[in-house]
Amino acid sequence: GNSVTQMEGPVTLSEEAFLTINCTYTATGYPSLFWYVQYPGEGLQLLLKATKADDKGSNKGFEATYRKETTSFHLEKGSVQVSDSAVYFCALIGDNFNKFYFGSGTKLNVKP
Amino acid sequence: EAGVAQSPRYKIIEKRQSVAFWCNPISGHATLYWYQQILGQGPKLLIQFQNNGVVDDSQLPKDRFSAERLKGVDSTLKIQPAKLEDSAVYLCASSLTQEKLFFGSGTQLSVL
Repeated sequence: GNSVTQMEGPVTLSEEAFLTINCTYTATGYPSLFWYVQYPGEGLQLLLKATKADDKGSNKGFEATYRKETTSFHLEKGSVQVSDSAVYFCALIGDNFNKFYFGSGTKLNVKP
Repeated sequence: EAGVAQSPRYKIIEKRQSVAFWCNPISGHATLYWYQQILGQGPKLLIQFQNNGVVDDSQLPKDRFSAERLKGVDSTLKIQPAKLEDSAVYLCASSLTQEKLFFGSGTQLSVL
């Protein structure tokens, strides 16, 4: 079946530190991979996506590369800001596009 | 554009009571989803509508949960009777394409 596993939080970093949030997946076929972000008091919103192996999704300084050989889609940012404090969810949708599978979320706290 | 609207924002009820949540999706979005997000977990799909038809309700506890989407626009999710384990955030999402979901801010339900 399909599933997503991401690192547990919370992750606490100082401003301008490097961020990595690990995500691995199990899926049949060729899923599309996503990172969604949930800022305090708001709904989830799409941060970036990659639809095939070796694709790199990027947005707002965040990047993630679809690695089929390691079934991973780790989220990275070179220099985090306080405003990046949020919960980050890794997700996949199967190649039949019928259902999203979300990871459990990783809370990021960035301190000034 | 206006986002996905949900109400109420918070609800506190006692077990065995009934509760209903309302969702107004983004105009023109044919697909509407209800997710349950238990604290510390990722969103879990309860039901997916395509216009006013049900596409997937495999994880909806049908003995107590019901949902409808009359006229293919607004939707309501009802729990009757509620149990303690129903305490969660109930998220509504809509989409034009199945790769990008737009989420509302959710309804936080506490069952005492």
